[in-house]
Amino acid sequence: KAGVTQTPRYLIKTRGQQVTLSCSPISGHRSVSWYQQTPGQGLQFLFEYFSETQRNKGNFPGRFSGRQFSNSRSEMNVSTLELGDSALYLCASSLASPPGLANEKLFFGSGTQLSVL
Amino acid sequence: GDSVTQMEGPVTLSEEAFLTINCTYTATGYPSLFWYVQYPGEGLQLLLKATKADDKGSNKGFEATYRKETTSFHLEKGSVQVSDSAVYFCALKDSNYQLIWGAGTKLIIKP
Repeated sequence: KAGVTQTPRYLIKTRGQQVTLSCSPISGHRSVSWYQQTPGQGLQFLFEYFSETQRNKGNFPGRFSGRQFSNSRSEMNVSTLELGDSALYLCASSLASPPGLANEKLFFGSGTQLSVL
Repeated sequence: GDSVTQMEGPVTLSEEAFLTINCTYTATGYPSLFWYVQYPGEGLQLLLKATKADDKGSNKGFEATYRKETTSFHLEKGSVQVSDSAVYFCALKDSNYQLIWGAGTKLIIKP
């Protein structure tokens, strides 16, 4: 079974630009969540999508948005990039049929390393 | 709000040494607790979990016990290997079903 696939692996952008990251979950997984990982802040939850609907959202500005398609693939968009947006962006998928199963297992992709110059 | 605090790294040990990585949490209610591991260049993988007080999660020689009285979930391994070198994250699932993460602890095992 293929794992979670994130593309691209690396991205370099300049301030003010926008970027779109892609995540393909494990086949059959309907929940996709996104995280930002930085050395200073650690892992921070961005948002979660289930069946094309945003089910949960972290404390990030509106510049960060996402969506999920009918095949469960998800995209994350960051507009008006800032230097502080440089980070590893991780996507995770899970089965998560009822919302918020306490012991559901997340499967992570290898991430997209975004550098903002 | 809920939070997770991990010991700062890096933690450097020799092969076959005993490992403890401390993790404490603050939460309302009774969260589920997790340890995830991130090997170099890879995404995170679930290492073990515990869903209620006194549960012990275990996997690949690692163990952690959910201690409600001390709000802790320390990760232990009796004899570490070079291949255990990675970053370890403690996390809890809060009442909104969001995962709250610790900052991560980098573990370096020297042969």
